[in-house]
Amino acid sequence: GGIITQTPKFLIGQEGQKLTLKCQQNFNHDTMYWYRQDSGKGLRLIYYSITENDLQKGDLSEGYDASREKKSSFSLTVTSAQKNEMAVFLCASRKDSNERLFFGHGTKLSVL
Amino acid sequence: DAKTTQPDSMESTEGETVHLPCSHATISGNEYIYWYRQVPLQGPEYVTHGLQQNTTNSMAFLAIASDRKSSTLILPHVSLRDAAVYHCILRVGRQQGTGSKLSFGKGAKLTVSP
Repeated sequence: GGIITQTPKFLIGQEGQKLTLKCQQNFNHDTMYWYRQDSGKGLRLIYYSITENDLQKGDLSEGYDASREKKSSFSLTVTSAQKNEMAVFLCASRKDSNERLFFGHGTKLSVL
Repeated sequence: DAKTTQPDSMESTEGETVHLPCSHATISGNEYIYWYRQVPLQGPEYVTHGLQQNTTNSMAFLAIASDRKSSTLILPHVSLRDAAVYHCILRVGRQQGTGSKLSFGKGAKLTVSP
């Protein structure tokens, strides 16, 4: 079995601050995803990556950067945190030959 | 990926069999139907998937309409642990590039009462 680890679990930032969220997976999966989930709402795709050094924009990429420098890791940067913003950011991965998505437990972001 | 439509919420009682509907009227021939569920404070968890034939596993039974425009996730004898948000999504099978883009809607919140 494998695991997806997201760090940090909780992130508190200031308005205008640049914040980075990290995701590591040891499944040796090819494709990784970053989603944003606001309270009581669905998951919105921010970025995904189908292989090392690849980046594809999702539906909500504005205001975010992402980086896939290694196959096992995918990081997300909030370029300028918005005041009173509160959301959970979920990382997921899957191997192209295997259709299941595996998710991490999420990073909960609060902006003061 | 084509969109899906689910009810916002459903209620049930322990021991009942629950039918969770999903409409996907514009599904393409190469799109698979996937179901995930999400409990609070965790990421979604895979439940089952299918293309055309009904499928069953230890978690649920997936019934797919013959025209593939709708499907129903059937949860037999639900317990309190089955309370979750259930997401029905579509995915093009085994394609690189844009086929890897997976989008989730709000899902259907299943409440289970004792």
